[in-house]
Amino acid sequence: KQEVTQIPAALSVPEGENLVLNCSFTDSAIYNLQWFRQDPGKGLTSLLLIQSSQREQTSGRLNASLDKSSGRSTLYIAASQPGDSATYLCAVSNSGNTPLVFGKGTRLSVIA
Amino acid sequence: DTAVSQTPKYLVTQMGNDKSIKCEQNLGHDTMYWYKQDSKKFLKIMFSYNNKELIINETVPNRFSPKSPDKAHLNLHINSLELGDSAVYFCASSLDTEAFFGQGTRLTVV
Repeated sequence: KQEVTQIPAALSVPEGENLVLNCSFTDSAIYNLQWFRQDPGKGLTSLLLIQSSQREQTSGRLNASLDKSSGRSTLYIAASQPGDSATYLCAVSNSGNTPLVFGKGTRLSVIA
Repeated sequence: DTAVSQTPKYLVTQMGNDKSIKCEQNLGHDTMYWYKQDSKKFLKIMFSYNNKELIINETVPNRFSPKSPDKAHLNLHINSLELGDSAVYFCASSLDTEAFFGQGTRLTVV
């Protein structure tokens, strides 16, 4: 059974710092991996999708990497801003059109 | 245009009542899901439908009954609501790859 773990559970950084959020999964036979952002009381916003054949994806200040063989992904946020404060969720699916298995998230606070 | 929309956004009801949450997607996806986010913010799959057919039911009590009248809609009906049903319920859809989520329905049972 797939399990997803995110470390750290919470992170507080000063504005401008670069930071890395970690995600690991137990079954390396994934189909894809998605990183989401969730603001308090809000829904999930998809940030990046990495297909199993890909090693990384970039969007603006965000870069997500995937190492399937070791069961790990990282989300790198460059030059963090207070507006980046949110909970970041990592989720994997084991085949197309199958439900995502989520980690418990990393709660990020960027202090001005 | 909202890709995945859920109604209502908030729902407060008494124990024992029956309630429904509606979900619609305009993305042309053929798979839709219901997830539950508990008080500790952990998201877990409840149901998965593909082309109106139930694919996955993750040991959810049979008080929860999803209904998919067509590929664009997946509604969730809950009978005899219990205090423990209080949570945020998210609808999502996908077409082979990326999943898109609705804004969630915060259900509070009192």
